[in-house]
Amino acid sequence: DIVMTQSPSSLAVSAGETVTINCKSSQSLFGSVRQKNYLAWYQQKPGQSPKLLIYLASTRESGVPDRFIGSGSGTDFTLTISSVQAEDLANYYCQQYYDTPYTFGAGTKLELK
Amino acid sequence: QVQLKESGPGLVQPSQTLSLTCTVAGFSLTSYNVHWVRQPPGKGLEWMGVIWNTGGTRYNSALKSRLSISKDTSKSQVFLKMNSLQTEDTATYYCSEGIAYWGQGVMVTVSS
Repeated sequence: DIVMTQSPSSLAVSAGETVTINCKSSQSLFGSVRQKNYLAWYQQKPGQSPKLLIYLASTRESGVPDRFIGSGSGTDFTLTISSVQAEDLANYYCQQYYDTPYTFGAGTKLELK
Repeated sequence: QVQLKESGPGLVQPSQTLSLTCTVAGFSLTSYNVHWVRQPPGKGLEWMGVIWNTGGTRYNSALKSRLSISKDTSKSQVFLKMNSLQTEDTATYYCSEGIAYWGQGVMVTVSS
């Protein structure tokens, strides 16, 4: 199974700050056929289902604000949230969908400082 | 419009079998895959398994001996059955179409 190591587990921020969440996979998520990395980022607020933010490592889902930026390739990936807003306070998860089981990172809780 | 909705009992007794249904709309189960993911209270997400559009299945190895996923394409329904439930199986269970579309989830408590 591919192990996803996500850090930090929690992050205290002030509105307007830029934050970075990291996700490292135990093997490459790069698919040679489509030349893409099979890595997704989700936002989850209490009592809600996960919401897809980023897929293929860096493609923003429709309707997601452009302050959410996904980057990385191979085994190292990053979610950057620029100018954090109060509505961004939530849990964030990475997930690889390169191979089953489609494993998740342990999550990052974004809190208000 | 793609929609998924989970349904099932909110309470299951230890050692019993959990049966959940995911009813989908806006897409055909003959063309798209459906995954099951669960989340214990206050914890992270765990991928449980998938039923491919072809009808084949793949399961999380930690659950494989207890888990079964099937579907009825004519009714647009996917079924999850998991036996020998324990208290640590208490969780919100989600079905999803790939990565983009998720159901609202159903909370299942395992308790006597």
